[in-house]
Amino acid sequence: AQKITQTQPGMFVQEKEAVTLDCTYDTSDQSYGLFWYKQPSSGEMIFLIYQGSYDEQNATEGRYSLNFQKARKSANLVISASQLGDSAMYFCAMREAQNRDDKIIFGKGTRLHILP
Amino acid sequence: DTGVSQNPRHKITKRGQNVTFRCDPISEHNRLYWYRQTLGQGPEFLTYFQNEAQLEKSRLLSDRFSAERPKGSFSTLEIQRTEQGDSAMYLCASSLRIQMDEKLFFGSGTQLSVL
Repeated sequence: AQKITQTQPGMFVQEKEAVTLDCTYDTSDQSYGLFWYKQPSSGEMIFLIYQGSYDEQNATEGRYSLNFQKARKSANLVISASQLGDSAMYFCAMREAQNRDDKIIFGKGTRLHILP
Repeated sequence: DTGVSQNPRHKITKRGQNVTFRCDPISEHNRLYWYRQTLGQGPEFLTYFQNEAQLEKSRLLSDRFSAERPKGSFSTLEIQRTEQGDSAMYLCASSLRIQMDEKLFFGSGTQLSVL
């Protein structure tokens, strides 16, 4: 079963608007971590933001924030004031930590297009 | 610190041949991951190491795939008797696994084309 679900295969957003990329996850662990990575057309994977399951506040990193709704098992990425350079693939990822299997797994991604 | 290095960048091979990829992680990193990525998809977990110990190999992988990380430094990923379905980008990532917020640092990948 898919543990990370990103339901938006592609999104088009006008420059300077805020954008929300959806991510839902499936875990029975109490302790886990959630990540977002960006992959521009050049191919490199870039870490954006991290949220721990026990963190009480939503994570923020510059224009990136993570809307963490634990009860809904949702970890949406919010990009404020989008820029043309934000056009890329975005991947949500998770680590479960209460068992021996603590590898990081990724969702299928959302392709974000920022329109001028 | 030169980041995660992967070689070769591109590999073209004929079906049935064996191929080997190399990954040099960031020197102080204790974790090393291999992922496979096809066009428009997310990275698919293949295997990972903590130092020299292989912690898990994906059940999706056939016995044709093997990975090693001798001495807990560089790692190799070998694919025997390649098939056209093996064509993909093979990504290596390393990290320092101390706490939960383990950031992965990725290499540029090896693009495999099986003809």
